Amino acid sequence: KNEVEQSPQNLTAQEGEFITINCSYSVGISALHWLQQHPGGGIVSLFMLSSGKKKHGRLIATINIQEKHSSLHITASHPRDSAVYICALSFSGGGADGLTFGKGTHLIIQP
Amino acid sequence: DARVTQTPRHKVTEMGQEVTMRCQPILGHNTVFWYRQTMMQGLELLAYFRNRAPLDDSGMPKDRFSAEMPDATLATLKIQPSEPRDSAVYFCASARPGHGTDTQYFGPGTRLTVL
Repeated sequence: KNEVEQSPQNLTAQEGEFITINCSYSVGISALHWLQQHPGGGIVSLFMLSSGKKKHGRLIATINIQEKHSSLHITASHPRDSAVYICALSFSGGGADGLTFGKGTHLIIQP
Repeated sequence: DARVTQTPRHKVTEMGQEVTMRCQPILGHNTVFWYRQTMMQGLELLAYFRNRAPLDDSGMPKDRFSAEMPDATLATLKIQPSEPRDSAVYFCASARPGHGTDTQYFGPGTRLTVL
């Protein structure tokens, strides 16, 4: 049973397009994380959400706790946004416990 | 620029050998996580510590894996004996929950190849 489902698995878009990546989960959580894994392998935490919406630069993350669904949006996409975006769940204490990860969405932004 | 460091960055070894991976968390972070990433399974939690005490190691194969925190600045993950199926990238992450942010900061990873 996969507790975290991401879609799409792969996404190729043109520079400037608005990007949406979705994450659905099937269990109660305390928080949801969006992570970015660069082509070189490094992992960076983008957002941690327990409700509502957060924005950082061109990135926006939303979560609907009732629907058990979260989206990550990228506005005015750029080739440097090309990466794997990973949704992950915390079941207690926000980021204070170990994460359960989705399989990731491989995003390529073409110039 | 505080960051999590991991050594070695790359390790190639033969089946049956002992492997030790080390992690230095960000100074002041009291929670340390070990994750493993493979092509087949993606990222998965192996174990994590708070204030040097193990809180959850249910993701770790107990017969061959062991994780410790000898002190607050060092976490270790050992595999003995190693097997080809242990080939993966092992990430360490650290956090300081309850102090304004629960963000986990990831190290660069140790890429392990077991032949």
